[in-house]
Amino acid sequence: GAGVSQSPSNKVTEKGKDVELRCDPISGHTALYWYRQRLGQGLEFLIYFQGNSAPDKSGLPSDRFSAERTGESVSTLTIQRTQQEDSAVYLCASSPDRVVNIQYFGAGTRLSVL
Amino acid sequence: GQNIDQPTEMTATEGAIVQINCTYQTSGFNGLFWYQQHAGEAPTFLSYNVLDGLEEKGRFSSFLSRSKGYSYLLLKELQMKDSASYLCVVTGGGNKLTFGTGTQLKVEL
Repeated sequence: GAGVSQSPSNKVTEKGKDVELRCDPISGHTALYWYRQRLGQGLEFLIYFQGNSAPDKSGLPSDRFSAERTGESVSTLTIQRTQQEDSAVYLCASSPDRVVNIQYFGAGTRLSVL
Repeated sequence: GQNIDQPTEMTATEGAIVQINCTYQTSGFNGLFWYQQHAGEAPTFLSYNVLDGLEEKGRFSSFLSRSKGYSYLLLKELQMKDSASYLCVVTGGGNKLTFGTGTQLKVEL
């Protein structure tokens, strides 16, 4: 596709439910990143995939968060047993070059946990 | 670890010049980016510096001093549409990016 695509654009869920957020990176981009942005705050790194290497999961805030990526395509971020503190915009970015990793961002998924 | 400091907010006048500073402390350094983020939108890439000096791109310029752990973004001929958050981003080891909390720039008439 022309850009990074994320779905859904908005998600409202009840506390305790599981949610899945999807990211379709730009075709050919080997690197994929997930970030969280709470209202009025900066971006918080969550996880990074680079080709077939083991992902860098150092930013995941708890074991309720997990992410998968199929090859160099789609990625899914899963949040289990959601809490109100998980409410945020979840941004996905992809990058074509591991030397100068300019990131191209999707529009994000706005998650609201009631 | 990595730490990035930039002012929380700035105000400037349309047509003027504004400089947004960023200082960083990192365990590794592979480059510094500036991104622009309008309210409710995704960040978009503005500039990249890996060597010391000034990179100019139209109305926007970015400067880097690695020895001082310092960068600035210079915006000339400000326009109302430049009102946005400007994010200073450092690439450390392993290609992981660390984002500053951003400087909210408000351009006034």
